Amino acid sequence: DGGITQSPKYLFRKEGQNVTLSCEQNLNHDAMYWYRQDPGQGLRLIYYSQIVNDFQKGDIAEGYSVSREKKESFPLTVTSAQKNPTAFYLCASSTDRGLIYGYTFGSGTRLTVV
Amino acid sequence: DAKTTQPNSMESNEEEPVHLPCNHSTISGTDYIHWYRQLPSQGPEYVIHGLTSNVNNRMASLAIAEDRKSSTLILHRATLRDAAVYYCIPTSRTSGSRLTFGEGTQLTVNP
Repeated sequence: DGGITQSPKYLFRKEGQNVTLSCEQNLNHDAMYWYRQDPGQGLRLIYYSQIVNDFQKGDIAEGYSVSREKKESFPLTVTSAQKNPTAFYLCASSTDRGLIYGYTFGSGTRLTVV
Repeated sequence: DAKTTQPNSMESNEEEPVHLPCNHSTISGTDYIHWYRQLPSQGPEYVIHGLTSNVNNRMASLAIAEDRKSSTLILHRATLRDAAVYYCIPTSRTSGSRLTFGEGTQLTVNP
């Protein structure tokens, strides 16, 4: 079945360490996205990529970095510059920019920094 | 981006219809209206979308006001599995890559 795989489901890191969250899709979607969700709040856009080797900052890009070397993969690195990295991270993909067929989301990675 | 207003929470009984309202008075004439829902500890799931006409699919119906300033997501017979946060999201044809999520409506379904 086609879908988006995020790994790991839970991740614990020490403060000051960089950490990379994985996102892979086999839907042949051109666009991929990273969102952050804090408890009781909606999703906020971190970065998005509409084609390979190109990506744009979202609303809260500071302290994060991404790469898009393959169509299927869009890893997110949470750097030590991110002041409050503990959150639920969601990856999504879309074709047609999500206008008709919507976004497909992964099941998320819950990052806890101690 | 168009602003949306949704009730923070709603409650329903199992097997009864549920009408989830959304106000989007600043919506552009070309924006779609998308609805997603998010079950606990999961990623959001696309539910339905529309532009001007009412829409039906296997999950729900979407009723769009004639002036497009509001819409209502209708679950015809709520089940316990429909308990989720429901998000109404105007989606610009020009900036479709920037889905903006508000806080949504938390739907509780009572057995």
